[in-house]
Amino acid sequence: AQSVTQPDIHITVSEGASLELRCNYSYGATPYLFWYVQSPGQGLQLLLKYFSGDTLVQGIKGFEAEFKRSQSSFNLRKPSVHWSDAAEYFCAVADGSGNTGKLIFGQGTTLQVKP
Amino acid sequence: DADVTQTPRNRITKTGKRIMLECSQTKGHDRMYWYRQDPGLGLRLIYYSFDVKDINKGEISDGYSVSRQAQAKFSLSLESAIPNQTALYFCATSVPGGSEAFFGQGTRLTVV
Repeated sequence: AQSVTQPDIHITVSEGASLELRCNYSYGATPYLFWYVQSPGQGLQLLLKYFSGDTLVQGIKGFEAEFKRSQSSFNLRKPSVHWSDAAEYFCAVADGSGNTGKLIFGQGTTLQVKP
Repeated sequence: DADVTQTPRNRITKTGKRIMLECSQTKGHDRMYWYRQDPGLGLRLIYYSFDVKDINKGEISDGYSVSRQAQAKFSLSLESAIPNQTALYFCATSVPGGSEAFFGQGTRLTVV
């Protein structure tokens, strides 16, 4: 069965520092992968997605993620974190063949940004 | 206005009460979903619908039912609410053949 693991439940970084949030997935074929962000009191907003092609994906708000098949990972990165990036981040993989719209989510990582 | 709208945004109800959470969308998408978010568990799929006549159970459907009243409306019901159904509930939509989901702002439900 497909699964997604986000090993870090909570991460704290200083404003201006770099960020990497980890995501590992379990899926036999090429996965469709996503990163969503949930700001306090808000719904989920798509940051970026990977379907195929270039393994380095650029997203909104200065985020990027790299798909590494050999490591079954899809880590999210940002070179310089802003206070407004404090939120909960979810990695997800599309269920099945990828065309059902059903998503399997990781547990989430809460990002705290120190001034 | 939001493309995917959930009502109410917050609700406190008592154990044993019936409650309905509503979702409407203006995106014109055929597919709609209900997810539940619990701390440390991420989001889990409760029910999904590919069109008005097609309703399917998700990972955690026990204790829930749904109704797809129209292409744009998808309601989630708790027939007899229990405290462990306290959670944040999200409605989402997608297009056929697409994997990306578009989420509402969520309904925070507390069962006391």
